Amino acid sequence: QQPVQSPQAVILREGEDAVINCSSSKALYSVHWYRQKHGEAPVFLMILLKGGEQKGHEKISASFNEKKQQSSLYLTASQLSYSGTYFCAPNFGNEKLTFGTGTRLTIIP
Amino acid sequence: GAVVSQHPSWVICKSGTSVKIECRSLDFQATTMFWYRQFPKQSLMLMATSNEGSKATYEQGVEKDKFLINHASLTLSTLTVTSAHPEDSSFYICSAIAGTETQYFGPGTRLLVL
Repeated sequence: QQPVQSPQAVILREGEDAVINCSSSKALYSVHWYRQKHGEAPVFLMILLKGGEQKGHEKISASFNEKKQQSSLYLTASQLSYSGTYFCAPNFGNEKLTFGTGTRLTIIP
Repeated sequence: GAVVSQHPSWVICKSGTSVKIECRSLDFQATTMFWYRQFPKQSLMLMATSNEGSKATYEQGVEKDKFLINHASLTLSTLTVTSAHPEDSSFYICSAIAGTETQYFGPGTRLLVL
């Protein structure tokens, strides 16, 4: 079943912070996060492998709560280049990724 | 490193024709390749998983006779959309992995069937 992301869309001013949540109805082995710009393929941001793990990538970090079957992506001091659609993509233990419903992020100056 | 290419990037065809899309891993050998389809304003949906030298595994609801996948080598997988119809118009994206679970995505192929 497709993971559900919230919010569906968010508009931020440059410099503001955002949190994107990803919830699954199935147990997660790992969670991948991607950002997709309009008309382009998704770009890999990070992978979280362990329950409770947090990872960072520039001003973008994420957490993974294995017990709650949830992951969250944190964007700090957003930049215009952060605009795009963010997808979580859990791995349920079989190499395949199931992409979430997506969150469209718009950063305005 | 870990670059995946797709060809063509754009294709327009008439209804009823077949279209072949190539996916290549340029600097690594891909143990597994995946094919996704994405309709406008929707998420990526996995169509099939292919391993070199074996038959592809299709996701539920994907017609294997319509979407033919050939994984001829560790660096090349092809997707052929047979007898394409307007409802097959979509953004087709491949990805590849090489020993770890990180998937490297190609740039995608936009198909428009008239």
